[in-house]
Amino acid sequence: DAGITQSPRHKVTETGTPVTLRCHQTENHRYMYWYRQDPGHGLRLIHYSYGVKDTDKGEVSDGYSVSRSKTEDFLLTLESATSSQTSVYFCAISQGNSGNTIYFGEGSWLTVV
Amino acid sequence: GDSVTQMEGPVTLSEEAFLTINCTYTATGYPSLFWYVQYPGEGLQLLLKATKADDKGSNKGFEATYRKETTSFHLEKGSVQVSDSAVYFCALGITGGGNKLTFGTGTQLKVEL
Repeated sequence: DAGITQSPRHKVTETGTPVTLRCHQTENHRYMYWYRQDPGHGLRLIHYSYGVKDTDKGEVSDGYSVSRSKTEDFLLTLESATSSQTSVYFCAISQGNSGNTIYFGEGSWLTVV
Repeated sequence: GDSVTQMEGPVTLSEEAFLTINCTYTATGYPSLFWYVQYPGEGLQLLLKATKADDKGSNKGFEATYRKETTSFHLEKGSVQVSDSAVYFCALGITGGGNKLTFGTGTQLKVEL
């Protein structure tokens, strides 16, 4: 158990509504990540954080924003959800150095109808 | 850019059969290489990793060798069990820049009695 809690675990929302997913860690790891998993694409990085208030874009950041006001919490927000954002979202944490293990949460299933 | 290519699945084997899942990569510099496993409804768990050329990662009977000359990191197991049924992801970790992972698309393994 890597000490990562994602919430909510399952959510159905309507197109155009805002959605926030929360990731909470108890490991005091410096780096936190949000990935999305889709069939045929594996996992793709949305945004990541390398410290409080320090974030950067990943491969598929359009339509998403993030915030990290505390070391232990990393929030992913869909400002106006679209059906293309229906996916499974995984939070991950790492100490950040090359070769360090990245630990994943259990995922948040989001359906946009 | 960096990329990972792994064989498409599903791969269906009988119990005790030999397993190979091919993984090749393209990267600048010298990445770390990982295999993650995902059981149904769960997040990703690290299976094994290798951080430099010729390193062999191993865990739970699975092995993979970091081959720089062929840019490969093939996953092998001598005798699979039904409990090995899962999706396997090959990934590379970028040196510097927060240890972000680039994933392959995943290979589903089904092991039958």
